[in-house]
Amino acid sequence: DAGVIQSPRHEVTEMGQEVTLRCKPISGHNSLFWYRQTMMRGLELLIYFNNNVPIDDSGMPEDRFSAKMPNASFSTLKIQPSEPRDSAVYFCASSLALGQGYGYTFGSGTRLTVV
Amino acid sequence: AQSVTQLDSQVPVFEEAPVELRCNYSSSVSVYLFWYVQYPNQGLQLLLKYLSGSTLVESINGFEAEFNKSQTSFHLRKPSVHISDTAEYFCAVSVNNQGGKLIFGQGTELSVKP
Repeated sequence: DAGVIQSPRHEVTEMGQEVTLRCKPISGHNSLFWYRQTMMRGLELLIYFNNNVPIDDSGMPEDRFSAKMPNASFSTLKIQPSEPRDSAVYFCASSLALGQGYGYTFGSGTRLTVV
Repeated sequence: AQSVTQLDSQVPVFEEAPVELRCNYSSSVSVYLFWYVQYPNQGLQLLLKYLSGSTLVESINGFEAEFNKSQTSFHLRKPSVHISDTAEYFCAVSVNNQGGKLIFGQGTELSVKP
């Protein structure tokens, strides 16, 4: 398996533009997680899905952030409009299931820079 | 709410010295415990995990961690570190009756110097 695949690896955009980050989880994994990592705040869970259904989006910082999982093999995280403080590395992770001791497999991340 | 505390944000150590990265969690029910490693410009990778059974678990690259229920700790150790072990290390806990998601600590930056 190719692992969790994220695209793009790097994104530079201007303030006010829409940004879409993409994630393909490992085939057969039923849970998907979006994280944001910054020096100041560390690793933050933004939202997670189970069987394509959002379970908890309490970590989404503002209404400018939205996430979808239209099917088991694809998820997007969208920021509209983007702001410089959104600059961070965004990770997607997937897991076979919630609980039961299953760990997460992380993607390589998308480094977002908003100028 | 469950939480994970990594007591040291940075640990500098010389090559071939032993190291311990500390992790404590708060939970009164049974848990699963994990250590993840993040090398520069990469995602997190699973290093080792405790699910049940023997309280001492090992990774393939010489790290080990011991689950201590009475002290609610899961410290990570290595008897002799290499330059290549320089990375950030995250402790995480999954609580059986709390939805099963992982709760991550703030991370410990291990810096191995020659």
